[in-house]
Amino acid sequence: GIQVEQSPPDLILQEGANSTLRCNFSDSVNNLQWFHQNPWGQLINLFYIPSGTKQNGRLSATTVATERYSLLYISSSQTTDSGVYFCAVHTNAGKSTFGDGTTLTVKP
Amino acid sequence: KAGVTQTPRYLIKTRGQQVTLSCSPISGHRSVSWYQQTPGQGLQFLFEYFSETQRNKGNFPGRFSGRQFSNSRSEMNVSTLELGDSALYLCASSLARDTEAFFGQGTRLTVV
Repeated sequence: GIQVEQSPPDLILQEGANSTLRCNFSDSVNNLQWFHQNPWGQLINLFYIPSGTKQNGRLSATTVATERYSLLYISSSQTTDSGVYFCAVHTNAGKSTFGDGTTLTVKP
Repeated sequence: KAGVTQTPRYLIKTRGQQVTLSCSPISGHRSVSWYQQTPGQGLQFLFEYFSETQRNKGNFPGRFSGRQFSNSRSEMNVSTLELGDSALYLCASSLARDTEAFFGQGTRLTVV
């Protein structure tokens, strides 16, 4: 099956810093989503981005499907950005495969 | 617009028992998928239902089963619970297959 690799696994930042999270996938995908998992376990939708670039406030994402990767940018990070960020890809098999996540810690 | 609703939120069961979890998708969504999240295995796909039919199944034993009703609500059942079934079970709904998925708050199952 498809492999999804996220990097880095852990990231520690000072408040106000910028960061880039990466998601590599091993095969063609129908679409790709980025999520933020809150402390209670719920996955919050950040981006639905099969290709191209999208922006939402301090967050933006870019997916280059032909090169099989996606990037999530967080600018001017805040302590509330802390948590685990997941990338999930949907394949022709009709299921989502998640990466192992990046754990982000933003220090005040 | 209501989100995805999972019930119950927390559950404690004894080894050997069975459990049923429920998921009500966003109104109008016809696809429901289930995932298991554990610290060791991460987020793993269990199964996907669309129009009351199981369309896809992950690599889980037959003790894990599910169904979808005509109103798109879905249930998953785990029989003969094992300690290793302790996990957060997440349900996602989407308008159609392979469209944007929205997750519920999850059911945290503890098997003792």
